[in-house]
Amino acid sequence: GAGVSQTPSNKVTEKGKYVELRCDPISGHTALYWYRQSLGQGPEFLIYFQGTGAADDSGLPNDRFFAVRPEGSVSTLKIQRTERGDSAVYLCASSLGGRGADTQYFGPGTRLTVL
Amino acid sequence: TQLLEQSPQFLSIQEGENLTVYCNSSSVFSSLQWYRQEPGEGPVLLVTVVTGGEVKKLKRLTFQFGDARKDSSLHITAAQPGDTGLYLCAGALDGSARQLTFGSGTQLTVLP
Repeated sequence: GAGVSQTPSNKVTEKGKYVELRCDPISGHTALYWYRQSLGQGPEFLIYFQGTGAADDSGLPNDRFFAVRPEGSVSTLKIQRTERGDSAVYLCASSLGGRGADTQYFGPGTRLTVL
Repeated sequence: TQLLEQSPQFLSIQEGENLTVYCNSSSVFSSLQWYRQEPGEGPVLLVTVVTGGEVKKLKRLTFQFGDARKDSSLHITAAQPGDTGLYLCAGALDGSARQLTFGSGTQLTVLP
């Protein structure tokens, strides 16, 4: 079946601009996660949704970052007033979301470059 | 400060050699996972270990969780060029494993 998809695959923007990154999770997965991976580093947790609500947004670096999942499926990560330090690969993952630990399946990521 | 330290950061070996990658922390984890990531793709889960001292084998890969659940190792026997990739460990501090803390990774290159 289809895996997690993310669009766009690459996004180049200018400092100060607003960007939206989209994630389509695996069908039936109720949990959705966003991570940020800087060059030479492992992924860094940003936010986790269970259904439509953000169950844990403790990883969002500041109030320029915001994510939504209005219908419990597709999610959008929004970054306002982008800065050069926001350049990274933004990864989305989804999981079944049941009780207990479950496997997170990652998408290919969106590479964001802020000039 | 990285909660999970991985070593070595880079490793280049010849086909057929054995290698071990380490993942260390001062924190106790409920579970620890190992992923492999290839360029332009997201990480793919290889294994999850949950019990201190646990050893899991996946073909030529052997994973071990430390007795105190603070560290883990990945051993590859007779490495092949197809093993090339970024190996990441990730720890979960609670049983749900919702928020994963990743190490910085070990970039493995296996030369033919």
